[in-house]
Amino acid sequence: DVKVTQSSRYLVKRTGEKVFLECVQDMDHENMFWYRQDPGLGLRLIYFSYDVKMKEKGDIPEGYSVSREKKERFSLILESASTNQTSMYLCASSLRPMGLGEKLLFGSGTQLSVL
Amino acid sequence: SQQGEEDPQALSIQEGENATMNCSYKTSINNLQWYRQNSGRGLVHLILIRSNEREKHSGRLRVTLDTSKKSSSLLITASRAADTASYFCATANQAGTALIFGKGTTLSVSS
Repeated sequence: DVKVTQSSRYLVKRTGEKVFLECVQDMDHENMFWYRQDPGLGLRLIYFSYDVKMKEKGDIPEGYSVSREKKERFSLILESASTNQTSMYLCASSLRPMGLGEKLLFGSGTQLSVL
Repeated sequence: SQQGEEDPQALSIQEGENATMNCSYKTSINNLQWYRQNSGRGLVHLILIRSNEREKHSGRLRVTLDTSKKSSSLLITASRAADTASYFCATANQAGTALIFGKGTTLSVSS
């Protein structure tokens, strides 16, 4: 059963901590994405990657960085966590670019609370 | 940048009724997708409709697309309590590299 796995379902961190959110897909997908989801704001794209070691900024990259050292793994990094980064983080992947009518496969999400 | 906007924000119906959700978008598209999200979980792809299609069916789902009005609708017929979820429309960004989602419609189906 193909899937996207996010390492933590719930995470509680303190302000100023460096936080790593991990995402792994087992489908040999080229493209991987990080979104955050907040009530009333929907899903917003943080970063995405279309190849190993390649990354592109989404709509809200400030305060985040990413790493894609291997094709199957895409990490989201909060360099110094702040309370306004408390959110649900969703990882997704696709085989081909979205403009070709590809669908996204999502992980179950990580609910991050920054105290 | 929000490409799609769903309407209504929330919808409450009884089991057996039909549920209609609408999505408006801003720029030209090649296709539009609908996703479902159960509470606190990831999104699941429901259906994709291409710009040259006007209507598409999948089980109890019917999606329409009107490119002249830049709008789409998702109809769920004979709703069940298990259809309770949030529904999102999504379109590709201008570069075709990522999906941009609307804010979603929260559907509650009571038995």
